Amino acid sequence: NAGVTQTPKFRILKIGQSMTLQCAQDMNHNYMYWYRQDPGMGLKLIYYSVGAGITDKGEVPNGYNVSRSTTEDFPLRLELAAPSQTSVYFCASSYSRQGNEQFFGPGTRLTVL
Amino acid sequence: TQLLEQSPQFLSIQEGENLTVYCNSSSVFSSLQWYRQEPGEGPVLLVTVVTGGEVKKLKRLTFQFGDARKDSSLHITAAQPGDTGLYLCAGLQTGANNLFFGTGTRLTVIP
Repeated sequence: NAGVTQTPKFRILKIGQSMTLQCAQDMNHNYMYWYRQDPGMGLKLIYYSVGAGITDKGEVPNGYNVSRSTTEDFPLRLELAAPSQTSVYFCASSYSRQGNEQFFGPGTRLTVL
Repeated sequence: TQLLEQSPQFLSIQEGENLTVYCNSSSVFSSLQWYRQEPGEGPVLLVTVVTGGEVKKLKRLTFQFGDARKDSSLHITAAQPGDTGLYLCAGLQTGANNLFFGTGTRLTVIP
């Protein structure tokens, strides 16, 4: 199993550009999550999904959108990128909420200039 | 405001020393997890504690969940350079679908 995969690993955007961060998992997990990690701030939840077709906002959803058309994929869309969105983005998945062990991807480092 | 506060934020110690990292909150959690993250990688789960007062050991690492399920600690005995990394606690509140992560403790063990 590849686990959780993310692409791209690095990206530089100009202010106002848009992009999609890709995330896929091959563990048949129902729950998937997007986090951002800023220096000294831990992980903040952006959006999560409890299954295909179901998504919900986390702590910091503004400026982002998600979709979950399949169990495997959970892309994160940035519209009109802003410098405040410069961060490292992690996708994670878990089998269920109980115990909720999360498996993380390697991250995408995004810089908005 | 941060739901889970970790202390210290940074810790640099010599190989062989002992250390304790704290994770504190004013909220109650149904379970609490500890993750370790190495540079350029995602966090990896170390342990989950679910019962107030619970103590779990993982080799040289000892994890404790507070009696009131509001806090936790991670104690490392005889630290090794391989213990270097960012340690994150994460709590699950009753009825919630997602974890809240702490601010993190960055540990450096000097050979």
